[in-house]
Amino acid sequence: DVKVTQSSRYLVKRTGEKVFLECVQDMDHENMFWYRQDPGLGLRLIYFSYDVKMKEKGDIPEGYSVSREKKERFSLILESASTNQTSMYLCASSLSATYEQYFGPGTRLTVT
Amino acid sequence: AQKITQTQPGMFVQEKEAVTLDCTYDTSDPSYGLFWYKQPSSGEMIFLIYQGSYDQQNATEGRYSLNFQKARKSANLVISASQLGDSAMYFCAMRAFSGGYNKLIFGAGTRLAVHP
Repeated sequence: DVKVTQSSRYLVKRTGEKVFLECVQDMDHENMFWYRQDPGLGLRLIYFSYDVKMKEKGDIPEGYSVSREKKERFSLILESASTNQTSMYLCASSLSATYEQYFGPGTRLTVT
Repeated sequence: AQKITQTQPGMFVQEKEAVTLDCTYDTSDPSYGLFWYKQPSSGEMIFLIYQGSYDQQNATEGRYSLNFQKARKSANLVISASQLGDSAMYFCAMRAFSGGYNKLIFGAGTRLAVHP
């Protein structure tokens, strides 16, 4: 079974802090994704990566950056957290762009 | 514009009955894929079923089937013999080619409650 893990289930940070969300997958997948999930909006793509050191902006990249130094790890960075970034963050991976994505358990981030 | 619409914010069903969750999509691409995911209260998204735009037959996976009507651009999920454990959020998603890459576009979701 594909396993996608995220570093924290719950996180509380202060406005202006730098926040790191880590995601690791164990199935040698090429593709990794970061989404945020808000009620009534479904999941929205923040960034994705199709290879090591490669990153592409999704639909809502503002205020976020990512890093993929190793194939199995994809990090989401909030350079200066703001209250409007309070949300559920979901990481996913897939074998290729046309295959189903497998998701981690999510990180519920609260910025106060 | 590429879009997924789920018009039912909430649904409820009696245990052991069948339920249909609606999903309509909008795309001008001839090649696309449609996915359904389940999200229990634990938060993890679980892949349920996939339908390709060129697939001739409706996809089925155990108690899940996808009622794919291409001309109407609908991809409804049918859950047969509902169980209490089916209570969850359900998301429809479309794989679309946008900005040079394949991406998943999600609907807003439908919350399903199964009553005993």
